[in-house]
Amino acid sequence: AQSVSQHNHHVILSEAASLELGCNYSYGGTVNLFWYVQYPGQHLQLLLKYFSGDPLVKGIKGFEAEFIKSKFSFNLRKPSVQWSDTAEYFCAVNSYNQGGKLIFGQGTELSVKP
Amino acid sequence: DTAVSQTPKYLVTQMGNDKSIKCEQNLGHDTMYWYKQDSKKFLKIMFSYNNKELIINETVPNRFSPKSPDKAHLNLHINSLELGDSAVYFCASSPLSGGPSTDTQYFGPGTRLTVL
Repeated sequence: AQSVSQHNHHVILSEAASLELGCNYSYGGTVNLFWYVQYPGQHLQLLLKYFSGDPLVKGIKGFEAEFIKSKFSFNLRKPSVQWSDTAEYFCAVNSYNQGGKLIFGQGTELSVKP
Repeated sequence: DTAVSQTPKYLVTQMGNDKSIKCEQNLGHDTMYWYKQDSKKFLKIMFSYNNKELIINETVPNRFSPKSPDKAHLNLHINSLELGDSAVYFCASSPLSGGPSTDTQYFGPGTRLTVL
């Protein structure tokens, strides 16, 4: 069965620090990969997605992610975080022939100190 | 101009009651979903509908019954509510018909259900 694992449960950073959130998935076939963000009390918003092509994907708000197929990983990065990046971050995967079902990781809570 | 809307935003009820949550999307999408987010913020799919037809039905108790009167609406009815049903329920929609899943899902604001 497909699964998604996010390495860090809670990350605390100071403003301007660099961010990397780990995400690994288990599935042998072709997958599509997503990072969603959930700001406090709000709904999920798409940060970025990978379907095919360049494995380095750029998203909104200065985020990027790199798909490394050999490592089954899709880590999220940002060179310099801001206090407004405080949120819950979810990695998600879906695959062909799964009816669009998204499998989510358990989420990483990011707290940025001003 | 809300894309995916849910009502109510908060729902507090007693054990054993029956309640419904409504979801509407004005994006013209073909597919709609229900996800449950538990107290640890873990998100898991419950159902998906494509053009009023049930596509995904995960191992959800049959007390939960989705209903799609048209492709813009997907409601969730819950019978005999239990304490463990307390969670945030998110509706989502996506453009394509549930085949190659390269489309993005757009989420609603969530409904926080509290069962006392």
